[in-house]
Amino acid sequence: EIVLTQSPATLSLSPGERATLSCRASQSVGSYLAWYQQKPGQAPRLLIYDASNRATGIPATFSGGGSGTDFTLTISSLEPEDFAVYYCQQRSNWPLTFGQGTKVEIK
Amino acid sequence: QVQLVESGGGVVQPGRSLRLSCAVSGFTFSNYDMHWVRQAPGKGLEWVAFISYDGSNKYYADSVKGRFTISRDNSKNTLYLQMNSLRAEDTAVYYCAKDLSPPPKVFDIWGQGTMVTVSS
Repeated sequence: EIVLTQSPATLSLSPGERATLSCRASQSVGSYLAWYQQKPGQAPRLLIYDASNRATGIPATFSGGGSGTDFTLTISSLEPEDFAVYYCQQRSNWPLTFGQGTKVEIK
Repeated sequence: QVQLVESGGGVVQPGRSLRLSCAVSGFTFSNYDMHWVRQAPGKGLEWVAFISYDGSNKYYADSVKGRFTISRDNSKNTLYLQMNSLRAEDTAVYYCAKDLSPPPKVFDIWGQGTMVTVSS
């Protein structure tokens, strides 16, 4: 099973600041990594798939990068609605696995 | 619009069974693979099961293999999860999710979730 480790666990930032989230895989997943956003009481929302492709309707302030075992999700300028928990997910191997999440909170 | 609506959750005793349903609308259900994903209270996301568009292929997380069965009825636009021999650790919100396809194995549309509580 591929283990995804996200860091940091919590990121405390102010609106307008840049957020950089990390996801590291226990073995190479190629570019087969996705990112999701989840707000309290809501279902997750797909942001990025295959490392760098924005899903439909996702603003350009969200960008993804990386390949192999190291990936990043960048939010260029935090809006109030961006404070949430973010998960990475790999689709390289069964079972599909998620990281444990990074909470982006208001500083 | 695209919509996935789960139902069937509730409180159940350990060892008992429960069947979840996910009614879909707004897209051609029979063309897409589907998944179940769960989230224990205060915890992260865990993929549970996959079924291909025609029901011919299924995959399960090790934690549920042999106890849970995913199925679908394309004539009714409905996805199911039969959960047997339930354990306390199965307590979670269960989401059904549509596969993006292409690419596969990415969850692009999610339901609102249904809560399953396993407790005596």
